[in-house]
Amino acid sequence: QKEVEQNSGPLSVPEGAIASLNCTYSDRVSQSFFWYRQYSGKSPELIMSIYSNGDKEDGRFTAQLNKASQYVSLLIRDSQPSDSATYLCAVTRSSASKIIFGSGTRLSIRP
Amino acid sequence: GAVVSQHPSRVICKSGTSVKIECRSLDFQATTMFWYRQFPKQSLMLMATSNEGSKATYEQGVEKDKFLINHASLTLSTLTVTSAHPEDSSFYICSAVTAMNTEAFFGQGTRLTVV
Repeated sequence: QKEVEQNSGPLSVPEGAIASLNCTYSDRVSQSFFWYRQYSGKSPELIMSIYSNGDKEDGRFTAQLNKASQYVSLLIRDSQPSDSATYLCAVTRSSASKIIFGSGTRLSIRP
Repeated sequence: GAVVSQHPSRVICKSGTSVKIECRSLDFQATTMFWYRQFPKQSLMLMATSNEGSKATYEQGVEKDKFLINHASLTLSTLTVTSAHPEDSSFYICSAVTAMNTEAFFGQGTRLTVV
């Protein structure tokens, strides 16, 4: 079992709709959870971090964490073509410990 | 967010030569830096974890004698690909964290092509 699992996609969503990206992790002691966006040929860019159960909203992005189910998700409202990218879920146990990435979900926003 | 600078962004080298990649944290002290490799259409693969002033910890399957990592200061880590071969051609990315912050910030990446 992979430590961090994501559906590779591609996930195709019409412009203006909500894109929902999902991630599961295997290590129950994981404490910190991140979503990164990576455009082709570029390095990842942090877009959201979440540390406790529930929802965290930042602009059009909402991260959701459920530690009991070992599940973290990212919702993107009012999807734009510029949101088309690969989204990487990442998990870490504690401060400065290694960060484990999922394989990423490719998101495509169609006009 | 914090700034991590990686240099060079692109390098082409001949087979058998060595290439050094630098990763600098510009506005914070990075107690830990990570080095990743990413092949086309694949995910980031962690190669090693580098802590300032100590030896790097390499992931299984990564040759420590081939990928030399030096983290000599709180703002600089280097990765040297020794005796590079075409199969080492990849996108190499560093990231840095502080002791207080679990968020990792990435450098711009280095596209290495070995010919």
